[in-house]
Amino acid sequence: NAGVTQTPKFQVLKTGQSMTLQCAQDMNHEYMSWYRQDPGMGLRLIHYSVGAGITDQGEVPNGYNVSRSTTEDFPLRLLSAAPSQTSVYFCASSYSSPGQWAGPAKNIQYFGAGTRLSVL
Amino acid sequence: GENVEQHPSTLSVQEGDSAVIKCTYSDSASNYFPWYKQELGKRPQLIIDIRSNVGEKKDQRIAVTLNKTAKHFSLHITETQPEDSAVYFCAASHNAGNMLTFGGGTRLMVKP
Repeated sequence: NAGVTQTPKFQVLKTGQSMTLQCAQDMNHEYMSWYRQDPGMGLRLIHYSVGAGITDQGEVPNGYNVSRSTTEDFPLRLLSAAPSQTSVYFCASSYSSPGQWAGPAKNIQYFGAGTRLSVL
Repeated sequence: GENVEQHPSTLSVQEGDSAVIKCTYSDSASNYFPWYKQELGKRPQLIIDIRSNVGEKKDQRIAVTLNKTAKHFSLHITETQPEDSAVYFCAASHNAGNMLTFGGGTRLMVKP
């Protein structure tokens, strides 16, 4: 299994350009999500999906679109890049592991290697 | 929504000492608390997690404790080694879906 694959690894855009960050997983996970990581701010959720055809907004969705036409792929689209979108982007996929002895379920997240994006 | 605070933001210890990182969360419905380690330029990787029906969990030199009443959980690393140097993130979620809320991270430096 390749796990979670993100492309490209690096990208430089000019303000106003659009682009798509690709994310694919081969683990048949139902859940996928996109995070951005800025210095000193940890990981913030942009969008997530609980299955093919279903997406929802996270903490910082503005300026980004997603779609989930297949279980494997979850692309992130920047509509009109802005310098504030300069960041490292991580895609993650996860599955739900049922809890034992009536304990809560947990989702085990696997991260891609990240895409470092600079917007000039 | 959930808010996770993590302290300290930076922690420096001598090799062999213990390190403790603390997180507090705001949503009493949260029931799953993972910890991730991120080495420089790498992806975050899960190192240990705990569910809300358990108070403590240990895996070799690392352990996590959870106090649901106070809504805080902690990561304990004993006998630290230079390879433990990294950024550590706590997170919380309250459903079986995708909604992990992360703390701001702690940069741990282990001095030989």
